[in-house]
Amino acid sequence: DVKVTQSSRYLVKRTGEKVFLECVQDMDHENMFWYRQDPGLGLRLIYFSYDVKMKEKGDIPEGYSVSREKKERFSLILESASTNQTSMYLCASRDPGLAGVETQYFGPGTRLLVL
Amino acid sequence: KQEVTQIPAALSVPEGENLVLNCSFTDSAIYNLQWFRQDPGKGLTSLLLIQSSQREQTSGRLNASLDKSSGRSTLYIAASQPGDSATYLCAVSAGQNFVFGPGTRLSVLP
Repeated sequence: DVKVTQSSRYLVKRTGEKVFLECVQDMDHENMFWYRQDPGLGLRLIYFSYDVKMKEKGDIPEGYSVSREKKERFSLILESASTNQTSMYLCASRDPGLAGVETQYFGPGTRLLVL
Repeated sequence: KQEVTQIPAALSVPEGENLVLNCSFTDSAIYNLQWFRQDPGKGLTSLLLIQSSQREQTSGRLNASLDKSSGRSTLYIAASQPGDSATYLCAVSAGQNFVFGPGTRLSVLP
């Protein structure tokens, strides 16, 4: 079974702090994604990466950065946390599958509260 | 820009009923469509994936259909159980990313 793990289930941080959210997958997937999920807004893509040291902006990259130094690890960084970044953060990893059928696998999520 | 909607937003049914969840998307140029389940406070679990060339996929009591030309997919759940209570999301893939719908929150009452 594919496993996607996230470093923390719950985090409480103060405004202005630098925050690191870590995601690790164990299936050698090339593509990894960071989403945030908010009530009424659904899942929105923040950043994704299709290879080591490669990154692409998603729909809402402002206030975030990412790092992909190793294939299995994709980190989301909040340089200076703000209260509007309070959210559920979900990491996903994508398997190209057979005949190009791509399936996404999600981690358990990190619920971040910024005070 | 692709937009995905799901109707209804919430649904409550008694145990044992068959039910249908709906997903609509605006751009029919998709590679595939995936249905997920999300339990409260948890991540997403993949249920079914339908390739753009397919019409339906089945797994146990779940059946998902896809009509690309009309931009619609349905998830049929047979003989619902309290353990099916969760939020169900659909997502369409067209290129690198998936675009998600807002989800349908399902409650199956014992």
